[in-house]
This record gives sequence, C-alpha cells and structure tokens, in this order.
Amino acid sequence: DTEVTQTPKHLVMGMTNKKSLKCEQHMGHRAMYWYKQKAKKPPELMFVYSYEKLSINESVPSRFSPECPNSSLLNLHLHALQPEDSALYLCASSQDGTGRMNTEAFFGQGTRLTVV
Amino acid sequence: KQEVTQIPAALSVPEGENLVLNCSFTDSAIYNLQWFRQDPGKGLTSLLLIQSSQREQTSGRLNASLDKSSGRSTLYIAASQPGDSATYLCAVVDSNYQLIWGAGTKLIIKP
Repeated sequence: DTEVTQTPKHLVMGMTNKKSLKCEQHMGHRAMYWYKQKAKKPPELMFVYSYEKLSINESVPSRFSPECPNSSLLNLHLHALQPEDSALYLCASSQDGTGRMNTEAFFGQGTRLTVV
Repeated sequence: KQEVTQIPAALSVPEGENLVLNCSFTDSAIYNLQWFRQDPGKGLTSLLLIQSSQREQTSGRLNASLDKSSGRSTLYIAASQPGDSATYLCAVVDSNYQLIWGAGTKLIIKP
C-alpha cells in the first residue's frame, strides 16, 4: 500500500468557520508534510512532522494549526481563514523520519479548499 | 540559492511519439531528484526518484536520467498515449534537505 489518503476531497468554509483536514498513511513513514498549492504553481511547504514532532513551520499564519496524533495520522486545523487561503492542500509522507526527503515522497490527492 | 527550471512550460505532441521533458538546476549539490505527475486539480503521483549517486531510473515507458555535473535531468516517455496528458513536475532535494520545485511542463498528447 503506497497510498496517502486525504479527506475531505473538497471543502467550502466561511471565514468564521473551524474545520479540519485529515491525512492518513499506512506505509510506516515517519515524516509527514503539509503543502499548499495555488493554481498553476508548484507546491509550497507549510509544515514538516518528524517522528510525530513538528520540525519545520515555514512561517505559516496561526490560523493554520497542524497536529500529528500518531505516526499514521496528520491533521490540519483551520480557523478564521481568508479567501486568499483558498488552494489545494496536499499531504505527503516519506520513509526517512528526519524529514530530510532522502527517500521517495508520496503525496495524497489533496483537499480542494474554498474560503468564502 | 537552488533554482529549478523546466522547459518547455507546455508541450503538445501526437499520440505514439517519444518525447523528452527537461529539468535543470543551478546547484549540483543535491541529494536526489524526483519526477512527479499531476492531473488537473489532483494530487501528485511520484514517477521516479533518482539518488544523487545514480545516473538513471526506469519504470515502464518512463526513463529518467540525471547529470549532476551539468545540473540536468530528463524524463523520457516512450510511445506516448493520451492518458499521459498531465503536468510533469521535477523537484530536487538541496543541500539543506529542502524540496525545490520546478514550475512544471504541461503535456498534451493528441489522439
């Protein structure tokens, strides 16, 4: 199983809502990542979890709050988002737990988020 | 600062042709290079990973090469099919272990 599963596939939320994105992998990977991708642009790194601990936060606004409950799950909690936060949010995992991307990165199918 | 460039930005070819996508990077100090495929509005599918010590990797109709000294990688697609239509992204892991992305090549295979 080389799959990273993200739910939901689509999400529409108001600026005052609180929602969560979920990501799951069962490949035994110890590094997990959140990326944001705007249309026709490459992905931008948001967060890296290494052995379930947050190791990199790329100066992401606090309205995005990541959580790694265990080695298979990664959540992204959303609160008070702005319309410009609308994007495709991608989760990825890699075997190397240092988060150094030494090994192949596997991506999920993404959550298409629209903030209204 | 590592920069990754993919040329051309878009490519349209008839079905059945062999084709080459190009990726270049400015700093040869990389740990690996990975090619991905992305369908419109979808996630990324890993195609091939080449470690810095390797010269090429093959998977089915795909062959990726790496020339670190010249800062180049190519993705060769043999006998192209309409289902190959997608955006192809290359990314390198630089000396800071950061994944640096190219802007992608949008490939259209005409039936």
